[in-house]
Amino acid sequence: SQQGEEDPQALSIQEGENATMNCSYKTSINNLQWYRQNSGRGLVHLILIRSNEREKHSGRLRVTLDTSKKSSSLLITASRAADTASYFCVEQNNAGNMLTFGGGTRLMVKP
Amino acid sequence: GAVVSQHPSWVICKSGTSVKIECRSLDFQATTMFWYRQFPKQSLMLMATSNEGSKATYEQGVEKDKFLINHASLTLSTLTVTSAHPEDSSFYICSARDPGRGEYNEQFFGPGTRLTVL
Repeated sequence: SQQGEEDPQALSIQEGENATMNCSYKTSINNLQWYRQNSGRGLVHLILIRSNEREKHSGRLRVTLDTSKKSSSLLITASRAADTASYFCVEQNNAGNMLTFGGGTRLMVKP
Repeated sequence: GAVVSQHPSWVICKSGTSVKIECRSLDFQATTMFWYRQFPKQSLMLMATSNEGSKATYEQGVEKDKFLINHASLTLSTLTVTSAHPEDSSFYICSARDPGRGEYNEQFFGPGTRLTVL
């Protein structure tokens, strides 16, 4: 499986600031998903955006998708210390069976 | 969302022994389960896809004789790390797919199992 790439690899911000993470992928996708992982824990599904969608919102999360550039971004607004975690973008291909994970962005939100 | 459990949550074993990790879908039937491995501060790498009642499909570079996968029922898949060595120490995560629930082809992840081989 091919891995996408995430940028930045690590991000440190103050509580209340916005956090933006970018993801690039290599294959044709059916959808792209963002997951969150607290240190040493399992993954929590945050949001899914389909290949025919360009933007999606869920609470403080905003996801964009640019299929022409094969890139996506995750914006967390008004960040909280509890948002500290690793965030992964995950591509799901048109066969619908496989997920390939990006390298992840480690976000630290300082109180 | 659907619940996936893993057991044990952590295990320490001696080099050369075998370790079995269970992945269960608690409130749905999972025809397909996936096994991932994650090294510290790295991303998840898909090891194999497990289909109920058939042989698992392994990713390139994953030794099928070392990582035995059994998906004997619609709610249980097991991963057995045979003759474990220190380099097998990692965080193993399973996921399960329920086509009838969640967003399209969403996978539900277990909490992971941390394996330490001494």
